[in-house]
Amino acid sequence: GDSVTQMEGPVTLSEEAFLTINCTYTATGYPSLFWYVQYPGEGLQLLLKATKADDKGSNKGFEATYRKETTSFHLEKGSVQVSDSAVYFCALAPWGFKTIFGAGTRLFVKA
Amino acid sequence: NAGVTQTPKFQVLKTGQSMTLQCAQDMNHEYMSWYRQDPGMGLRLIHYSVGAGITDQGEVPNGYNVSRSTTEDFPLRLLSAAPSQTSVYFCASSPNGGGGHTSGANVLTFGAGSRLTVL
Repeated sequence: GDSVTQMEGPVTLSEEAFLTINCTYTATGYPSLFWYVQYPGEGLQLLLKATKADDKGSNKGFEATYRKETTSFHLEKGSVQVSDSAVYFCALAPWGFKTIFGAGTRLFVKA
Repeated sequence: NAGVTQTPKFQVLKTGQSMTLQCAQDMNHEYMSWYRQDPGMGLRLIHYSVGAGITDQGEVPNGYNVSRSTTEDFPLRLLSAAPSQTSVYFCASSPNGGGGHTSGANVLTFGAGSRLTVL
């Protein structure tokens, strides 16, 4: 069945470091792909999305490119801030009504 | 707009007790869903609804019931709580579905979560 695999955390970085969180997926057809972020004590909120191959989603300095050939959707940011500390979830939405989430990657950014 | 509102925020139950987690949205979204979040397992879909009067099972439906009598409300019922149901529960909604290539990649709006402990 459809699934999402993302790198285990926690990931600890210093402020202004480069961030990559890997995400790969298995799906039939052409799903839409998402990154959601969860700040402490809150629900998830959309960070960015891509709906077809080679699309690049971007928001708040974060980027991810839909790579169909490698079935990947890695999240990147050139310079992280302390305020980026959160849990990041990769997700896919295949045809239908069920969004499937990865296990989440916790990011800690030190000042 | 309030978005998606969940109550209660925290709840402690004893094994065998029943309770209902409430979820309400004011965005006129057709699609509503319940997830549970457990460490290391991400979010797993419990039940979902594509409109009033229509519900279906997700990945982990056992021990939970839902109903959808109105567009706005989607309560989750635990009939006989078990320690394995200790988790954080999230309600989420979207305008008209959970995704799909041509559906416009509908985005989920989440509530703040309900932390349930079953002793």
